[in-house]
Amino acid sequence: KAGVTQTPRYLIKTRGQQVTLSCSPISGHRSVSWYQQTPGQGLQFLFEYFSETQRNKGNFPGRFSGRQFSNSRSEMNVSTLELGDSALYLCASSLGAYAGGGTDTQYFGPGTRLTVL
Amino acid sequence: KNEVEQSPQNLTAQEGEFITINCSYSVGISALHWLQQHPGGGIVSLFMLSSGKKKHGRLIATINIQEKHSSLHITASHPRDSAVYICAVASNTGNQFYFGTGTSLTVIP
Repeated sequence: KAGVTQTPRYLIKTRGQQVTLSCSPISGHRSVSWYQQTPGQGLQFLFEYFSETQRNKGNFPGRFSGRQFSNSRSEMNVSTLELGDSALYLCASSLGAYAGGGTDTQYFGPGTRLTVL
Repeated sequence: KNEVEQSPQNLTAQEGEFITINCSYSVGISALHWLQQHPGGGIVSLFMLSSGKKKHGRLIATINIQEKHSSLHITASHPRDSAVYICAVASNTGNQFYFGTGTSLTVIP
């Protein structure tokens, strides 16, 4: 089975722009979770989608949003980029059988490294 | 306030040594995960625990729900074990996911 893929792998944007990141889960996985990793804050949970619905959400501002398509692929959007949004954005997929991706083994993608100038 | 605390932050060991990384958490959980992150960013899930003990090869993970504590043990450590090990918990309220700050392990040949 192919692993979790994320595109693009690297991205450079300027403050005020918006960005869309894509995540393709492992075939058969219905849950996709998004995470932000920075040197200062470490890994933080953004949100989780299951069957096209946001099921869980972390403590991020509304500038961070996402969606999931019927084939379980997911996109994450960040509007009005700030310098502090520079980070590695990781997605992870899981079967999602329980009410929360955290109760399934998570399979991580390689990440998208976003730099905001 | 950190919901998940890991210790030590950094660890250097000689090849062959027995290694223990500790994780304490303050929230009610539905599961605890141990993750491994190599330089370059890729993260691999090592274990998911909700009780007891699990073993994969040279790696052993234990959890004590009453004490809200988990340990990751590596027996006969090897240089390829050098990585950052991250403890994460899925809370049982609101299904939030909280991460520790990670333990950077270096195993010297």
